[in-house]
Amino acid sequence: GAGVSQSPRYKVAKRGQDVALRCDPISGHVSLFWYQQALGQGPEFLTYFQNEAQLDKSGLPSDRFFAERPEGSVSTLKIQRTQQEDSAVYLCASSTDGNQPQHFGDGTRLSIL
Amino acid sequence: GQQLNQSPQSMFIQEGEDVSMNCTSSSIFNTWLWYKQDPGEGPVLLIALYKAGELTSNGRLTAQFGITRKDSFLNISASIPSDVGIYFCAGHISSNTGKLIFGQGTTLQVKP
Repeated sequence: GAGVSQSPRYKVAKRGQDVALRCDPISGHVSLFWYQQALGQGPEFLTYFQNEAQLDKSGLPSDRFFAERPEGSVSTLKIQRTQQEDSAVYLCASSTDGNQPQHFGDGTRLSIL
Repeated sequence: GQQLNQSPQSMFIQEGEDVSMNCTSSSIFNTWLWYKQDPGEGPVLLIALYKAGELTSNGRLTAQFGITRKDSFLNISASIPSDVGIYFCAGHISSNTGKLIFGQGTTLQVKP
């Protein structure tokens, strides 16, 4: 597609369940980013991939969060044993290079009950 | 951690008025970006700035990269109702990482 595609758009899970969020970046974009956006706040960095290599995961809040991009294209953000504080919008962005402007998808709104 | 202070937090203006918002930081930034986010959507890139002192326009939008590299402003001229939304500044502190630092956002409301 022309833009960054994320699925699902909405996800409701019970506390303790595992969830997986998918990001399909713009074709040809080498760099892929995940951000977490709490209600009323700006996005906060989670992790960064250059092709299949995860170059920075300093923003992942705990070891329950795991991201992968095995073939350097589609990426999955997995959250294990979800907790209520994980409720947020998870945004994916891609760019042609690490320091080029990032283009965002519309996010996945995650609600943990 | 690094923070961007964005102001004002919100604005309520009359259609046709000009708008100005800014971001400041105690850290030096290598790039400054301005995004607009509508409800239920992801941020959309408006303007990207790469050099200190750079002034760039995109239609009715003008943004500048501060000389000290610690600040940036965004101006919107002759506002229209579709300008409503949340505006975020963002930037790269290091050239070695793609990590973007975001401001807290400025919510703009335009009265027709």
